[in-house]
Amino acid sequence: GDSVTQMEGPVTLSEEAFLTINCTYTATGYPSLFWYVQYPGEGLQLLLKATKADDKGSNKGFEATYRKETTSFHLEKGSVQVSDSAVYFCALRESGGGNKLTFGTGTQLKVEL
Amino acid sequence: NAGVTQTPKFRILKIGQSMTLQCTQDMNHNYMYWYRQDPGMGLKLIYYSVGAGITDKGEVPNGYNVSRSTTEDFPLRLELAAPSQTSVYFCASNPTGGNEQFFGPGTRLTVL
Repeated sequence: GDSVTQMEGPVTLSEEAFLTINCTYTATGYPSLFWYVQYPGEGLQLLLKATKADDKGSNKGFEATYRKETTSFHLEKGSVQVSDSAVYFCALRESGGGNKLTFGTGTQLKVEL
Repeated sequence: NAGVTQTPKFRILKIGQSMTLQCTQDMNHNYMYWYRQDPGMGLKLIYYSVGAGITDKGEVPNGYNVSRSTTEDFPLRLELAAPSQTSVYFCASNPTGGNEQFFGPGTRLTVL
C-alpha cells in the first residue's frame, strides 16, 4: 500500500537558518502530495500541495517540489523564524481521485533565537 | 464559520467505560474523517464518511463505532475503553474528498 517516510526529529535550528525536512513516498501512479503543519495545541493545517510531477507548492516562505524520479517532496525554507516551530507532516492522496490521505510520522521543528 | 469543532478537549476514562467524541462542521462538507495521533506514529485513519448515512472503516477501526445521521455531525463512539486507546483524536472534513482536509483542534483521551 501507499506509504510516506519522513526524517525523524526533532530538528533544532537557529532563527534565520535554512530548513530542509525530507519526505519520500511509495505509491502507484501519480499521487497528490501535501505538507501539513501542526502548531502546539492545534489541529493540522494545510501548508502547501502539489498535484503532479515537477509542480512546486509554496506558502509562507516554504516550498516543496514534487520529484517523481526520486519519489520525494522535501520541504524547504530559506530563513526560519521562531514562529515556525511546529510539527510538519508530509502526506499523499492516492492517484485516481481517492478521498483518503496517508500521513508520515511527522517531524518536529524547534527554532531558537 | 466555526469550521470543525470537537468536544471535549480532554477526557480521562477508566478501563471499560464508554464515551462519545463529538465532531461538528459548519462548512456543509460531505466528507468527514476520524484520526488518532500517537506519539511518533503520525495519524491513522479510524473511520470516514462520504455523506450522511454512509460510513466506512479506515486503517484502525477496531474498538470504535461511528454514525453519520446529518451532514454536520460525525460522532465517534468508544464502547469499552482500553489503555491502547489513549491518544489524541482528530476529526477532519472536506467538501469533495479532494485535496485539503480541514481539521478540528483535537480531543486528548487518556484511559487508565
